[in-house]
Amino acid sequence: SQQGEEDPQALSIQEGENATMNCSYKTSINNLQWYRQNSGRGLVHLILIRSNEREKHSGRLRVTLDTSKKSSSLLITASRAADTASYFCATDPKTTDSWGKLQFGAGTQVVVTP
Amino acid sequence: SQTIHQWPATLVQPVGSPLSLECTVEGTSNPNLYWYRQAAGRGLQLLFYSVGIGQISSEVPQNLSASRPQDRQFILSSKKLLLSDSGFYLCAWSQPGTALAKNIQYFGAGTRLSVL
Repeated sequence: SQQGEEDPQALSIQEGENATMNCSYKTSINNLQWYRQNSGRGLVHLILIRSNEREKHSGRLRVTLDTSKKSSSLLITASRAADTASYFCATDPKTTDSWGKLQFGAGTQVVVTP
Repeated sequence: SQTIHQWPATLVQPVGSPLSLECTVEGTSNPNLYWYRQAAGRGLQLLFYSVGIGQISSEVPQNLSASRPQDRQFILSSKKLLLSDSGFYLCAWSQPGTALAKNIQYFGAGTRLSVL
């Protein structure tokens, strides 16, 4: 089942602009992760934010987490054509069977034009 | 360093034929292993996961099965493919244990399966 839902479904921007995408989820989580997928390839882990963290940075990536609203955002600053990809949020839900299964959203497709 | 290999990259199979997709992980021991299916433009659906040799859990009822004959080998199979089995199949692994870092998953390059 999909717990994370990304918004928007698609995003088109020009190089140098910032890209922001959001993720909403339904149940309590241990952590939330963002992954990137280039067309026809596997997913690559970008960043993990724990439930007790509110913001995290990694290079040009900034992730926020609001557990009261059950939402997260991923900001890519100064985007490049190479950032063109689909971005997925994945939640690690707090359940009795919490051994590490992630629930992925449907993704945001980002296109960065030169 | 750890690597994950998944093959083949592309596969075209007739309806009713068998299927075998293989995934192997190198550079780690006793990984958690996963098989996902991704429909076009969609997120990932977890099909099977395994925490050890011979230990397979199925997430959804389906026409597919999985096996883990060796510690770092995970196989996805079907005796008779259906049209609805078409899709993009991804294998992934994560660290065993109880630390939070175990939840980060590392993916193979995927197999594009077309059933005709």
